[in-house]
Amino acid sequence: AQSVTQPDIHITVSEGASLELRCNYSYGATPYLFWYVQSPGQGLQLLLKYFSGDTLVQGIKGFEAEFKRSQSSFNLRKPSVHWSDAAEYFCAVKQGGKLIFGQGTELSVKP
Amino acid sequence: NAGVTQTPKFRILKIGQSMTLQCAQDMNHNYMYWYRQDPGMGLKLIYYSVGAGITDKGEVPNGYNVSRSTTEDFPLRLELAAPSQTSVYFCASTQGDGNSPLHFGNGTRLTVT
Repeated sequence: AQSVTQPDIHITVSEGASLELRCNYSYGATPYLFWYVQSPGQGLQLLLKYFSGDTLVQGIKGFEAEFKRSQSSFNLRKPSVHWSDAAEYFCAVKQGGKLIFGQGTELSVKP
Repeated sequence: NAGVTQTPKFRILKIGQSMTLQCAQDMNHNYMYWYRQDPGMGLKLIYYSVGAGITDKGEVPNGYNVSRSTTEDFPLRLELAAPSQTSVYFCASTQGDGNSPLHFGNGTRLTVT
């Protein structure tokens, strides 16, 4: 069955430190891949997406993600985290019309 | 454009009652989705539709029904409400061409007691 896994439920990083959020998927072929962010009480905002081509994609707010076909992964990274990045992050995959989200990773940022 | 409009914003149901969560979009999007969001569980896909007259089950369809008689509307029906259906429900839509972003409604917070 199709699935999206975010292994880390909660991550805490210090402000200014680097960040990597993991995402693995299980699909028959390369799907469309997305990262969304949700701040408390807010809706979801698209950070970036991958469809094809360059496996390193740049998004908004200084985020980037790398697609690795051999590992079925699409990890999200940011070189230097800001306190305003504290939120919940969701990886999502789309194949055909079906769009599935991972269970989310909550990011806390220490001053 | 209003985007994706969900009604109601809040609702309390008694066990066994039925209700319809409304979702409408004015962007002429082909693809529409219903998700439920529970703490620590992310968003679970309930049903989706790739166009008028076409619907398909998602990850957690049991206890729900949908219809898509027009491009604009994608209502979600709960026939016999159960406490396990207490959740926040999000409707979303996209053009479906891959490059089009997903637009979310503001959500419906449903409590079943």
